[in-house]
Amino acid sequence: DTAVSQTPKYLVTQMGNDKSIKCEQNLGHDTMYWYKQDSKKFLKIMFSYNNKELIINETVPNRFSPKSPDKAHLNLHINSLELGDSAVYFCASSHQQGRDTIYFGEGSWLTVV
Amino acid sequence: KQEVTQIPAALSVPEGENLVLNCSFTDSAIYNLQWFRQDPGKGLTSLLLIQSSQREQTSGRLNASLDKSSGRSTLYIAASQPGDSATYLCAVPLGGSARQLTFGSGTQLTVLP
Repeated sequence: DTAVSQTPKYLVTQMGNDKSIKCEQNLGHDTMYWYKQDSKKFLKIMFSYNNKELIINETVPNRFSPKSPDKAHLNLHINSLELGDSAVYFCASSHQQGRDTIYFGEGSWLTVV
Repeated sequence: KQEVTQIPAALSVPEGENLVLNCSFTDSAIYNLQWFRQDPGKGLTSLLLIQSSQREQTSGRLNASLDKSSGRSTLYIAASQPGDSATYLCAVPLGGSARQLTFGSGTQLTVLP
């Protein structure tokens, strides 16, 4: 069974479009995250949700809007996509923020053309 | 602000060698430190989690040490195998409320058969 699953795995879209990436975890964790890995492979946190509440929003443009319908799901919606949004987006989850092992999904490769 | 540095950026060794990967961090007020492995086109897999009260953790051929006072951690891989080839990342949660994970840029390891 996949612990943290995200879809789609690959996404190619044109500038200006709106797209969503979905994430689900079946580990019973309270905390979920979105991380962005840029072309230089640097991983940086974007958002953190704890029990459906936004905890961290790290200087992310407001074109990015996370939504957590329940604590097992954290979706990422991106409006008006720009070339610079091209990256790999990783969803992750853990029991407690930063205190326990974090489990990552396999990533969503977003290419904006 | 927490900064995490990993040296070397890339490492190539023949199969069977023992090797050490280094990680340093600037803010020693950490709850724990995690080592991850990332395979090309894949997500991150947690290898070891060392709590701040621990000095080291072992899992199979992997041994991770933590020296909070000097802001350093090492990942020791014994008897390396080609299957160990991957990028290894260390990450620490920011101190205080442990609200986010800060990653190093990784060490890309290649084990030659």
